[in-house]
Amino acid sequence: ILNVEQSPQSLHVQEGDSTNFTCSFPSSNFYALHWYRWETAKSPEALFVMTLNGDEKKKGRISATLNTKEGYSYLYIKGSQPEDSATYLCAFPNTNAGKSTFGDGTTLTVKP
Amino acid sequence: KAGVTQTPRYLIKTRGQQVTLSCSPISGHRSVSWYQQTPGQGLQFLFEYFSETQRNKGNFPGRFSGRQFSNSRSEMNVSTLELGDSALYLCASSLALSGYEQYFGPGTRLTVT
Repeated sequence: ILNVEQSPQSLHVQEGDSTNFTCSFPSSNFYALHWYRWETAKSPEALFVMTLNGDEKKKGRISATLNTKEGYSYLYIKGSQPEDSATYLCAFPNTNAGKSTFGDGTTLTVKP
Repeated sequence: KAGVTQTPRYLIKTRGQQVTLSCSPISGHRSVSWYQQTPGQGLQFLFEYFSETQRNKGNFPGRFSGRQFSNSRSEMNVSTLELGDSALYLCASSLALSGYEQYFGPGTRLTVT
């Protein structure tokens, strides 16, 4: 059984705060790690595909880093805005099993 | 480019009935995966189809089945519905099997009474 864990489970921050959360995954047989944002009443939307150890990807105020040797990825949001409120999911594609395992997500609420 | 579409969006069924959900992937995508999300649970993998073949199956009973057609459209069937099958069912398409980012549809909200 493949364990993909995300922490914290939920986070409440004030508008303007910066925040980060973690995705832990098995460090062996690494192929890629995906981050998704899932807003209420919408579909999950791909944010980043992380493939190389030390990768850092950025999209506006959101960035992600990857450490494949220790099996974790961080997602950072700088200056959170209410529109950043969503559940952030990471997914670990297991090429041996041929499927992606999703973490349970971190639900971020940004209060104005 | 049109996104992933799912029909119906909402469905109410009674215990014991069966249901079929449909998913049309993004044009050119050959892989379709199905997921179940229940309150308090993350996305649970149901199965993945690629080129009309089921490539992987999650840990769900045999009441859950699916298929994929030559145009990559996929259907998921649940027979003998139970109350616990009430959930949001999401399908996602990707260019190929695992490793590629997935594009999700809006989901079908199934309520079993």
